[in-house]
Amino acid sequence: EVQLVESGGGLVKPGSSLKLSCVASGFTFSSYGMHWIRQAPKKGLEWIALIYYDSSNKYYADSVKGRFTISRDNSKNTLYLEMNSLRSEDTAMYYCAKNYGEVMDAWGQGASVTVSS
Amino acid sequence: DIQMTQSPASLSASLGETVTIECRASEDIYSNLAWYQQKPGNSPQLLIYDANSLADGVPSRFSGSGSGTQYSLKINSLQSEDVASYFCQQYNNYPYTFGAGTKLELK
Repeated sequence: EVQLVESGGGLVKPGSSLKLSCVASGFTFSSYGMHWIRQAPKKGLEWIALIYYDSSNKYYADSVKGRFTISRDNSKNTLYLEMNSLRSEDTAMYYCAKNYGEVMDAWGQGASVTVSS
Repeated sequence: DIQMTQSPASLSASLGETVTIECRASEDIYSNLAWYQQKPGNSPQLLIYDANSLADGVPSRFSGSGSGTQYSLKINSLQSEDVASYFCQQYNNYPYTFGAGTKLELK
């Protein structure tokens, strides 16, 4: 069974940094691209980043480009999202998801990030 | 960026009814469209990909159709467990974009 478990969320002040992790199990992590998607409170879904299975390519939403970095460690079955210069509008639940032919076929339970002074 | 316009924003239907949710893309997305279901308090789950292919384990009462810029999700014989929000998503171009969602409730 595919499992994705996010961690690292929390309450931080504007301008600060945070790093999310997503530990994967139940599939060959090193063979699949991975996404980060976020959902602001009571709002819709926003795709924010994709990393290929071998880290050869990374894509970002304009809203996070230059501030967020997606990375992975295939030896640890772990996906990361490093978030810098955080703003109040980054407040959201952050989900990692497994890529399957460009869609997200498995999602984690989410990590909550609140940016507030 | 490709804009995804989803309608209606909310929908109330009775058990056993057939419901349809629409999604319109701002340009041709060549059937590179997925539908996700998000039940209250849960993570989204993939329902449909490539506009009309059912994801593993999804009941056959769900179906997708469409092409070009117009797509729809149909739920036949609505069940209580279908109460959820539904989102369309295009993956034809980066950045991938989602519709604003449709909240489905029971009448």
